[in-house]
Amino acid sequence: DIQMTQSPSSLSASVGDRVTFTCRASQSLSGYLQWYQQKPGKAPKLLIYGASSLQSGVPSRFSGSGSGTDFTLTISSLQPEDFATYYCQQSYSIPWTFGQGTKVEIK
Amino acid sequence: EVQLVESGGGLVQPGGSLRLSCAASGFTFRNYDMHWVRQATGKGLEWVSGISSAGDTYYPGSVKGRFTISRENAKNSLYLHMNSLTAGDTAVYYCARVTWGWNYFDSWGQGTLVTVS
Repeated sequence: DIQMTQSPSSLSASVGDRVTFTCRASQSLSGYLQWYQQKPGKAPKLLIYGASSLQSGVPSRFSGSGSGTDFTLTISSLQPEDFATYYCQQSYSIPWTFGQGTKVEIK
Repeated sequence: EVQLVESGGGLVQPGGSLRLSCAASGFTFRNYDMHWVRQATGKGLEWVSGISSAGDTYYPGSVKGRFTISRENAKNSLYLHMNSLTAGDTAVYYCARVTWGWNYFDSWGQGTLVTVS
């Protein structure tokens, strides 16, 4: 199984900050990497697919990059509604696996 | 608008069985792969099973042999039959639509809670 490791597990940031978090896979994903946002009590929401493609309707302050085993999600200017937990997920091989999540909290 | 509505969750004893359902609307159900993802309280997301538009099924080792995913295209419905349940299966279960290509979960239901106790 492909192991997905996210870092950091949590971070504190202020509105307007640029935040970046990373996801590392135990083997190359050939770009089959997604990012999801989840707020408490809600279902996850797709932000980025194919490592860098922005899902329709997602604000452009979200961006994804990376290749091979190392991937990054960046929020260019953190907004109040962005405080949530973010998960990466690989769909390169079954079983599809998720990272453990990065929780973004208000500083 | 794509809608996925799960049902069938509840309290079940260890060793028991349960069937979850997911009613889909707003898209051509038969054309999409569908999956189940679960989340234990306070924990991360875990992929549980998937079924292709052609009916091929996929499972992780943690549920293989105990869970069975199925679909009924005429009813726009997805199912998850769960047997030999343990406390470790306690979680919110989400059904999710997959867009082929990059294989991403682009739509999710609101989830249904399964408690094994």
